[in-house]
Amino acid sequence: SQQGEEDPQALSIQEGENATMNCSYKTSINNLQWYRQNSGRGLVHLILIRSNEREKHSGRLRVTLDTSKKSSSLLITASRAADTASYFCATNATSSSGGSYIPTFGRGTSLIVHP
Amino acid sequence: KAGVTQTPRYLIKTRGQQVTLSCSPISGHRSVSWYQQTPGQGLQFLFEYFSETQRNKGNFPGRFSGRQFSNSRSEMNVSTLELGDSALYLCASSEDRLETQYFGPGTRLLVL
Repeated sequence: SQQGEEDPQALSIQEGENATMNCSYKTSINNLQWYRQNSGRGLVHLILIRSNEREKHSGRLRVTLDTSKKSSSLLITASRAADTASYFCATNATSSSGGSYIPTFGRGTSLIVHP
Repeated sequence: KAGVTQTPRYLIKTRGQQVTLSCSPISGHRSVSWYQQTPGQGLQFLFEYFSETQRNKGNFPGRFSGRQFSNSRSEMNVSTLELGDSALYLCASSEDRLETQYFGPGTRLLVL
């Protein structure tokens, strides 16, 4: 399994602080995506970074990818109470048998931003 | 474009019954994937359909099945429900494999 694993499992910060979450995975990937999930609802896509990219920005989000370490990080700058949610990384890759698309998600990081 | 829609949003069933969940993807998206999310197991991949064909399948028993129609709408069926099937079932659509998935709000299933 190449399931991504987020770290930490939970993160509690004050509004205005930065939040950093990490994701590790086991095998080669085509791309890695970060999603946000508000309690009990569907996942919202945040950002996709391809295996040949090292860093990507979107608003207050910054994602890095280190394929040599098989890890990625998501940085949320100047966090807001509305950022409170669970954050998941998902890896896309072809299977060992070739050609198949096996999407795998980590268990998520639960972020609480206190106003 | 309208987002991914799932019906019903909530469902209560008893053990042994069967259930069918529906998903309408974003217009133009041909890939539809289904996931089961539980507190204990996290988000687990059930299967993916593309142009009415099942392209990938996760590690779930045969009680879980699905299909996709020519308009890309998809249904998921769970037969002989067990208590452990209580979960949030999420549907996601994308233009094709390896691309961004857009998720619906989910169907919360409670099996009593």
